[in-house]
Amino acid sequence: AQSVTQLDSQVPVFEEAPVELRCNYSSSVSVYLFWYVQYPNQGLQLLLKYLSGSTLVKGINGFEAEFNKSQTSFHLRKPSVHISDTAEYFCAVTKNTGNQFYFGTGTSLTVIP
Amino acid sequence: EAGVTQFPSHSVIEKGQTVTLRCDPISGHDNLYWYRRVMGKEIKFLLHFVKESKQDESGMPNNRFLAERTGGTYSTLKVQPAELEDSGVYFCASSLYRASSTDTQYFGPGTRLTVL
Repeated sequence: AQSVTQLDSQVPVFEEAPVELRCNYSSSVSVYLFWYVQYPNQGLQLLLKYLSGSTLVKGINGFEAEFNKSQTSFHLRKPSVHISDTAEYFCAVTKNTGNQFYFGTGTSLTVIP
Repeated sequence: EAGVTQFPSHSVIEKGQTVTLRCDPISGHDNLYWYRRVMGKEIKFLLHFVKESKQDESGMPNNRFLAERTGGTYSTLKVQPAELEDSGVYFCASSLYRASSTDTQYFGPGTRLTVL
């Protein structure tokens, strides 16, 4: 079975500071990894995804994530956050043999001016 | 191009009543998914349609939930009768290609269901 752990439920960070949102997964098969963001009153929007190839993946809005197979992690990073990054972030995995997503519990990022 | 839309955005009902949620996927998307997020927990998969057929309904909690996708376009999710534990946010998503787990799923804003 697949599972996704986002250890930090809330992350406050000052504007222009760096941030890392942690995501660990467990799976007995190969997976694909995704980060989605949900801004207030909006649907989930894809930030980035790892399918294969380079382990460092760049996404929209200056975010990037690194796939670490040995540590089964896919942490999301941004070197300098903006107020507009305040949102909830979800890590998700899907098996390479299916379509269903397995999500973490989400991390609420609050950027403090 | 319009994104995935869901109706209503909020619904408050009493235990024992019936509620029907609607999802309109992006035009041309064969795949349609329903997910649910109970407060503070992870978003959980409910089921997956390919056109009008149920491809995977392994996440449906029980037989009080009925999902349909008439003509392979919009989908409805009916809860009858609703129970307190059904409260949460119901998300719909759609994707274009068949049988590919690498496809981006595009999510709607969700319907927040509160059962009193």
